[in-house]
Amino acid sequence: QQQVKQSPQSLIVQKGGISIINCAYENTAFDYFPWYQQFPGKGPALLIAIRPDVSEKKEGRFTISFNKSAKQFSLHIMDSQPGDSATYFCAAHLYNTDKLIFGTGTRLQVFP
Amino acid sequence: KAGVTQTPRYLIKTRGQQVTLSCSPISGHRSVSWYQQTPGQGLQFLFEYFSETQRNKGNFPGRFSGRQFSNSRSEMNVSTLELGDSALYLCASRLPGDGYTFGSGTRLTVV
Repeated sequence: QQQVKQSPQSLIVQKGGISIINCAYENTAFDYFPWYQQFPGKGPALLIAIRPDVSEKKEGRFTISFNKSAKQFSLHIMDSQPGDSATYFCAAHLYNTDKLIFGTGTRLQVFP
Repeated sequence: KAGVTQTPRYLIKTRGQQVTLSCSPISGHRSVSWYQQTPGQGLQFLFEYFSETQRNKGNFPGRFSGRQFSNSRSEMNVSTLELGDSALYLCASRLPGDGYTFGSGTRLTVV
């Protein structure tokens, strides 16, 4: 099954709060899990990524938590800012291909 | 360093026509992938090229095709356009083992 399930579909967070987006997968042939941020009129921009041999990766205010046994991974945005308002996509890279399977996206709105 | 460049940015075509979209990857990147983005289906993989060879193809009809040139620039072609082909077409390039860098896309509208 080459699906990546993403939730929630939309998220409203107050400035300074924590935004959490979750993704789940079934295919064990995925070997790389990136998160992308997309602003209107732009292409997706790589935010942060993790490989399945690591349980957590942090870059600035962005953290990926990865649970290999549960086949789940999540993005945490600490101290959310209005400038973080965008659509976020999780993705999974299929081993030995150059194919990314994307989640359905989460529209994040951060209010001041 | 220049990013991934896609041309044109916007395109309006009539049903039945064909269209060619262009992608110039980041200098030195030999892998180029194409994705279709629609509100209903999200981001879907079309195909991927490396050194002028198509290595992977998504579940799209044969009307969707592509190619890559010796300078790594890539084109995708859609023949006999249908209304449902209206979408944002995104190109991405990368170095082996690195993340994908996407262009801003070509917004295709079929009327």
